Amino acid sequence: GAVVSQHPSWVICKSGTSVKIECRSLDFQATTMFWYRQFPKQSLMLMATSNEGSKATYEQGVEKDKFLINHASLTLSTLTVTSAHPEDSSFYICSAQGAEQYFGPGTRLTVT
Amino acid sequence: DAKTTQPPSMDCAEGRAANLPCNHSTISGNEYVYWYRQIHSQGPQYIIHGLKNNETNEMASLIITEDRKSSTLILPHATLRDTAVYYCIVKANDYKLSFGAGTTVTVRA
Repeated sequence: GAVVSQHPSWVICKSGTSVKIECRSLDFQATTMFWYRQFPKQSLMLMATSNEGSKATYEQGVEKDKFLINHASLTLSTLTVTSAHPEDSSFYICSAQGAEQYFGPGTRLTVT
Repeated sequence: DAKTTQPPSMDCAEGRAANLPCNHSTISGNEYVYWYRQIHSQGPQYIIHGLKNNETNEMASLIITEDRKSSTLILPHATLRDTAVYYCIVKANDYKLSFGAGTTVTVRA
């Protein structure tokens, strides 16, 4: 139980385009989901907290207009990286709050 | 949230117990000790958490000192698949997880 999936697992896009990443809780409902970013050889950094039916809360320094988060249902949150640039290349990981906080497998984004 | 201090790395032998220390001297009374691990290029995996009593599950045991200023995660029989970065995190309920640098554990055959 407590499985969280992400799609896609990896994506390559051109600079200036937008990319959407989906996060799903497969066997439980999650009122709250979280989005993290991890650069090589660094730890996870929380980007935003996503609450079903309301606006996401972004951490300091994270541009809300660049990283659009939608939490439309109790099992799905999406992160859209708009106008992606090479510096947005990273490992994006979501988590969903169930009995504990459970993490997805991550999405590797490469912007060329 | 209280800060934690972990050794940057440690090696352990396959089949032996791995004892991972964590210091959290500024922990508050309502903060739990959580352990997660991250295998290379995967999302973190929940291991165990506790408040003040020792805890055990199918993955590991968590030993918390009586003053709650430190704890030890014990992997009873380490396997090569336990090679990962292990994160010790203290947080109160309904608070966000904040990841530090963790301990890189390498299990050697």
